[in-house]
Amino acid sequence: KAGVTQTPRYLIKTRGQQVTLSCSPISGHRSVSWYQQTPGQGLQFLFEYFSETQRNKGNFPGRFSGRQFSNSRSEMNVSTLELGDSALYLCASKEVGQGFTEAFFGQGTRLTVV
Amino acid sequence: TQLLEQSPQFLSIQEGENLTVYCNSSSVFSSLQWYRQEPGEGPVLLVTVVTGGEVKKLKRLTFQFGDARKDSSLHITAAQPGDTGLYLCAGARSNSGYALNFGKGTSLLVTP
Repeated sequence: KAGVTQTPRYLIKTRGQQVTLSCSPISGHRSVSWYQQTPGQGLQFLFEYFSETQRNKGNFPGRFSGRQFSNSRSEMNVSTLELGDSALYLCASKEVGQGFTEAFFGQGTRLTVV
Repeated sequence: TQLLEQSPQFLSIQEGENLTVYCNSSSVFSSLQWYRQEPGEGPVLLVTVVTGGEVKKLKRLTFQFGDARKDSSLHITAAQPGDTGLYLCAGARSNSGYALNFGKGTSLLVTP
């Protein structure tokens, strides 16, 4: 089975621009979550999508948004980029069950805002 | 607010030594996971523990979940340079939709 695939691996953007990141989950996994990782804050939860609906959200401003498609692929968008948005953005996919299920991460997209 | 506190933050040891990494919280978790992450890569899942008091072994790595499901430890026996990396613990709670709450990690360097 192929793992979680994130594209692109690296991005450089200018302050004020917007960016879209993509994530393809493991086949059969219908939940996709996004995390931001920075040296100061560590890994922080952004949001989770299941069946094309956001079902859980972290404490990030509205500039961070996402969506999920019918094939479970997900995109994350950040508008009006700020220098502080520079981070490794990680996507994780998991099966959906009654309770907890394990999450598997992609390699991440390294976003640098200049 | 960091729900999970990991200690130590940094650890530099020589090959062959033993070490323990701790992950503590005042919150109760439904499950707790340990990941290892290498620079520029995503975290790789090592183990999941779900039952209070549970102990799991993965070769030279031993993971324990506290009886109250608030804390966990990772013990590595006879560390090797290949164990170098960032070790992350992450807890999931049912009242937050099982979103993972991560500790800030323990950066381990094992030198030959």
